[in-house]
Amino acid sequence: QVQLVESGGGVVQPGRSLRLSCAASGFTFSSYDMNWVRQALGKGPEWVAVILNDGSVKYYAESVKGRFTISRDNSKNTLYLQMSSLRAEDTAVYYCARRVWGDYFGMDVWGQGTPVIVSS
Amino acid sequence: QSVLTQPPSASGTPGQSVTISCSGSRSNIGSNTVNWYQQLPGTAPKLLIYGYSQRPSGVPARFSASKSGTSASLAINGLQSEDEAYYYCAAWDDSLNGGMFGGGTKLTVL
Repeated sequence: QVQLVESGGGVVQPGRSLRLSCAASGFTFSSYDMNWVRQALGKGPEWVAVILNDGSVKYYAESVKGRFTISRDNSKNTLYLQMSSLRAEDTAVYYCARRVWGDYFGMDVWGQGTPVIVSS
Repeated sequence: QSVLTQPPSASGTPGQSVTISCSGSRSNIGSNTVNWYQQLPGTAPKLLIYGYSQRPSGVPARFSASKSGTSASLAINGLQSEDEAYYYCAAWDDSLNGGMFGGGTKLTVL
């Protein structure tokens, strides 16, 4: 079945780096644009970044621009989020999500999320 | 503060209809389609509406959406207890070149 599984979350000190992965299965990964969305405890979702299906274009939220890098390996059906210079306010559950083909921003398949805690 | 503005709460009784509003601007709702998500505690958001008020497979027809100018709304007809959840609107913003979520509306089924 169509599935996204995130991994790589954990506890990290401020200023350090962490890389998240999202393994896709059950669909043609290389045909879909992919997003990262995060959600802090008790808050609403916050969009983080998007990468087009071929990796040619990437957009980032202002809050992470210059610190986070989204990438993908279509041969491995895997999406990544490299996070550096982490701050306490980056603490959240991070979800990868598939963008609906042809839609501006709709995301129809989500992973279960991986928690990131930035704390000393 | 979210770029897309939603009321923090809404409520209704079983069988009733309820509408949740979402206000934005020309660069987001005014220019692009609006998505609606439902989120139950401890789970990822679930897409309810995409495109021009389309529903993914499995989403009941009780959920519908509309848009006018820079505002959008989600209507839930025949309210059921399992509809109690948080609802978020979302849209791409052409000025910011980024995706935006509303602050969320907590729907209580009385």
